[in-house]
Amino acid sequence: DGGITQSPKYLFRKEGQNVTLSCEQNLNHDAMYWYRQDPGQGLRLIYYSQIVNDFQKGDIAEGYSVSREKKESFPLTVTSAQKNPTAFYLCASRPLPGTGDETQYFGPGTRLLVL
Amino acid sequence: KQEVTQIPAALSVPEGENLVLNCSFTDSAIYNLQWFRQDPGKGLTSLLLIQSSQREQTSGRLNASLDKSSGRSTLYIAASQPGDSATYLCAVREGQGNLIFGKGTKLSVKP
Repeated sequence: DGGITQSPKYLFRKEGQNVTLSCEQNLNHDAMYWYRQDPGQGLRLIYYSQIVNDFQKGDIAEGYSVSREKKESFPLTVTSAQKNPTAFYLCASRPLPGTGDETQYFGPGTRLLVL
Repeated sequence: KQEVTQIPAALSVPEGENLVLNCSFTDSAIYNLQWFRQDPGKGLTSLLLIQSSQREQTSGRLNASLDKSSGRSTLYIAASQPGDSATYLCAVREGQGNLIFGKGTKLSVKP
């Protein structure tokens, strides 16, 4: 089955702790994205990557870091510098333009809670 | 800066009713527009994608229209069912493929 997997489904963070959210896709997509969703809000872009070993900051990158060492993996680390990390985090992927598929596909999400 | 607005924020209708969800955007220079569905606590599922050169797209009971010049899109749902209850999100794509999302319309279809 092709798709995007995110783990864990729920994650608890203690104050001062860094935590890493996993995102894996087997769709052979080049571009991958991380979004944050707060209640009653639209999705906000944290980071995106269009190719391995390259990534760019989105609108709310402060307090977050990413890596893209493999095409299929785009982990997100929520650092202790992110003072309000409680949110629903969504990973997405998309083929590069010109492939005929413009759709952005989403994973099931990870809910991060602060203890 | 592009802004996407969805009205209404919430909508409750009886089963069988036809309904329209609205999406507006401030900058008409978009590449495409997507409608998504989100069930509580879940990820987003793409429903329809309209390219900037298109006027509408249809899938089953869903029809999405795009009027780029006026900065508007509508999602029409025919003969609504309780299973249609979800939050519907509109997003426009700009430049390098980044989507700008509205806050969504929460739809409740009562049996």
